[in-house]
Amino acid sequence: QQQVKQSPQSLIVQKGGISIINCAYENTAFDYFPWYQQFPGKGPALLIAIRPDVSEKKEGRFTISFNKSAKQFSLHIMDSQPGDSATYFCAASMGKRNEKLTFGTGTRLTIIP
Amino acid sequence: GAGVSQSPRYKVAKRGQDVALRCDPISGHVSLFWYQQALGQGPEFLTYFQNEAQLDKSGLPSDRFFAERPEGSVSTLKIQRTQQEDSAVYLCASSPTGVLSYTFGSGTRLTVV
Repeated sequence: QQQVKQSPQSLIVQKGGISIINCAYENTAFDYFPWYQQFPGKGPALLIAIRPDVSEKKEGRFTISFNKSAKQFSLHIMDSQPGDSATYFCAASMGKRNEKLTFGTGTRLTIIP
Repeated sequence: GAGVSQSPRYKVAKRGQDVALRCDPISGHVSLFWYQQALGQGPEFLTYFQNEAQLDKSGLPSDRFFAERPEGSVSTLKIQRTQQEDSAVYLCASSPTGVLSYTFGSGTRLTVV
């Protein structure tokens, strides 16, 4: 059972544009939602994370928008750069009750000049 | 070391062979996780340790998979009688107490032929 659904599977954005990746979850016990960035041959690296008590969190060019009632959250990358080309994974966990992460299937992002 | 170290980086095993994958977490990190990442997919949880105690092994796919962390630092994931479907990248991650965002290693790519 896939508890975190991610879309799109791949995304091509022009340099300077906004990249948007969406995720939806089913388990209402999830209360921690991180996004990870993964380059080929490397492990995932934490990008930004949000708890459900806020609707938005911004760190530099990266913003998470969170809609608790719709059970959806998204990652926005502003002013996308070629160095942002990577695979992005959303994830969810039950926080301190259970720290294991349930990952989405990933989005391969390509930023073109 | 500064990060989570995994060895070997690559492992080719003949079907039926036993393999052992090693994880050196960041020094002092209490929590340690193992994930399996199939090609083009998100990581999937295998097992979780807090110090030497294995608190959750619900993700281990069969009794051929076994993990240990006898002294609460280095961990080993052992796969007995490897099968082709075991081919994947095995990721290890660690975190300090009470921190939900953990650091991943670069993984071990296992290919079963």
